[in-house]
Amino acid sequence: GEDVEQSLFLSVREGDSSVINCTYTDSSSTYLYWYKQEPGAGLQLLTYIFSNMDMKQDQRLTVLLNKKDKHLSLRIADTQTGDSAIYFCAESIYPGGATNKLIFGTGTLLAVQP
Amino acid sequence: SAVISQKPSRDICQRGTSLTIQCQVDSQVTMMFWYRQQPGQSLTLIATANQGSEATYESGFVIDKFPISRPNLTFSTLTVSNMSPEDSSIYLCSVGRDGTHYGYTFGSGTRLTVV
Repeated sequence: GEDVEQSLFLSVREGDSSVINCTYTDSSSTYLYWYKQEPGAGLQLLTYIFSNMDMKQDQRLTVLLNKKDKHLSLRIADTQTGDSAIYFCAESIYPGGATNKLIFGTGTLLAVQP
Repeated sequence: SAVISQKPSRDICQRGTSLTIQCQVDSQVTMMFWYRQQPGQSLTLIATANQGSEATYESGFVIDKFPISRPNLTFSTLTVSNMSPEDSSIYLCSVGRDGTHYGYTFGSGTRLTVV
């Protein structure tokens, strides 16, 4: 089945690290993504990881993938107030046929306290 | 990655009317996707639109309610028909990097309120 879950809310202090977690159920996922949505805005692709990798680092962002446990995390180092947003994880799956599709998680609201 | 222009950015519509949302991409793409984000919710895929063929709808979405056009490789429209307040949502179009399986780009969305 297709189900992607995240915790709903995370609060951190400015300068601390944030870790946002995500679990998924479809073992056929090829790519996994993290998106950021600021209030009133569309989705911004932050980073992605291929399913045969276990870690990817991109500046302040670190993605960890535990494929055995179907667990994905996004770590934001030195979190800033501008990082306050909703973060969505998403998995890319092939339900059949040639077209893949994204299944989104429930979203985690990150609140950064100054 | 592709740049997507989506119009209108927001609209308030009367119950029973229809609204057509446009999505323009600055490069040719094979697949375009339409999503709905209900208030406080995650994104749900409505349909996948390939140029030259009929859109493929996800479970719970039908062509009569959400007709889609895809006349060329850079443009698509989604119509929300016979609207009710339950259709109040953000509608977003998305494209993938053509020929690859990563880097989905989203438009800024259309915030629809039905009264």
